[in-house]
Formats: sequence, structure tokens, C-alpha cells
Amino acid sequence: AQKVTQAQTEISVVEKEDVTLDCVYETRDTTYYLFWYKQPPSGELVFLIRRNSFDEQNEISGRYSWNFQKSTSSFNFTITASQVVDSAVYFCALSELLGGTSYGKLTFGQGTILTVHP
Amino acid sequence: DAGVIQSPRHEVTEMGQEVTLRCKPISGHDYLFWYRQTMMRGLELLIYFNNNVPIDDSGMPEDRFSAKMPNASFSTLKIQPSEPRDSAVYFCASSLTPYEQYFGPGTRLTVT
Repeated sequence: AQKVTQAQTEISVVEKEDVTLDCVYETRDTTYYLFWYKQPPSGELVFLIRRNSFDEQNEISGRYSWNFQKSTSSFNFTITASQVVDSAVYFCALSELLGGTSYGKLTFGQGTILTVHP
Repeated sequence: DAGVIQSPRHEVTEMGQEVTLRCKPISGHDYLFWYRQTMMRGLELLIYFNNNVPIDDSGMPEDRFSAKMPNASFSTLKIQPSEPRDSAVYFCASSLTPYEQYFGPGTRLTVT
């Protein structure tokens, strides 16, 4: 069975600090997708990134960057120069591809609560 | 696009009552998902549809829960009878491909 672990329950930083959110996953499949979602205080879930298991290139989008390391089954998320608006719960998720293009269940980690203080 | 629309946004009901949650997916998306979020269990997939057909309902907690998708633009999640332990935020999500899902704002259900 697939599993996603976000060991950091809560992180608190001061504005402008860099912060890394850890995500470790377990799957038996060689083909899968990894995701990060943001849940701000308003409650909605916002899609941030998707990465497939064959693409280990790191990705940068503005202040956000993602480090995918298949060897350690990790997909970590770094926010550079954090801002108060980054305060949210961040979820890592895993989807296994079940044969062809059949969808596999999206399994979420427990989430990391990030608080950025001014 | 308006995004995924859910109604109501908040629902307070008494134990034993029937509750119906509604979802309108993003136009053109052929996958629809229902999730439940609680402090204890986090985000759980309840059921998902592909082209209006239920594909996997193994996450539905028990027979009191049922979901339908009569057409491509509407889905319902029904709880009958409701119990206090059903209190949670229920999210609907849709996707065009089986990959990134776009979530609605959620329905916060409180069963007293």
C-alpha cells in the first residue's frame, strides 16, 4: 500500500527565512506521481506542483522549489524568503498509476502547518 | 472558469437527519472525487467517478453514505442518517486527466 509521511507537524519561521517541508513516500510501483497542495486559512486546497516518477529534475517556480530524490523516496518543498502569506497547511500526495492510464488513488500525507511570523 | 463549485458551504444538522452535499465540477473535466477531511484522519478519498461512472468507492465509510453523478456537471454525496462522527469538511475535486485535481472550497458539515 502507498503511504506518504510528512514528519514535520508544525513549523514556525520568521519572515524572510527559508523553510523546507519534508515528504517521504512509500510505493511498490515504478510509475507514480507526486504532488504538493497548499491549504491556506480560508480552507481551499490549491494545487502547487505535479512530478512524475521518471522526472527527477528539480523544479523552481519563483520562491518555491522542489527536490525530488527517488533514491531516498523524498519529495521536499522549499520556500525561499518566506512571507506571511505563505502561512498555510501544506500537503504532499502520491498517486500510483494502475496500468496504462488508469487512475490510482491519491494518498495524502498528514500535512505540515507552516506559520510565518512578521 | 468558475472552478469547482460546492454547496452548501456550511451545513449544521441534527443527528439522524439526511444531508446532501452538492458539487459542480469544472466544465470538461471527466474525473470527479469526493474527499473528507478531519483532524484525526486527515484527507481521505471517499469515492471517485470517471465519465459519470463510479470507479472506486472503497473509501466510503459505510452504507449510510452514497454518491451519485447523474450527469457530467453535477454530483451529490448523501449521508442518511447522519451521525456526529460524520462532522468534517467534505471536498469535491475534479480533473481533466487522472493527475492534478482541482478542489472546491469544501462543505463544513456539523452534526449535533
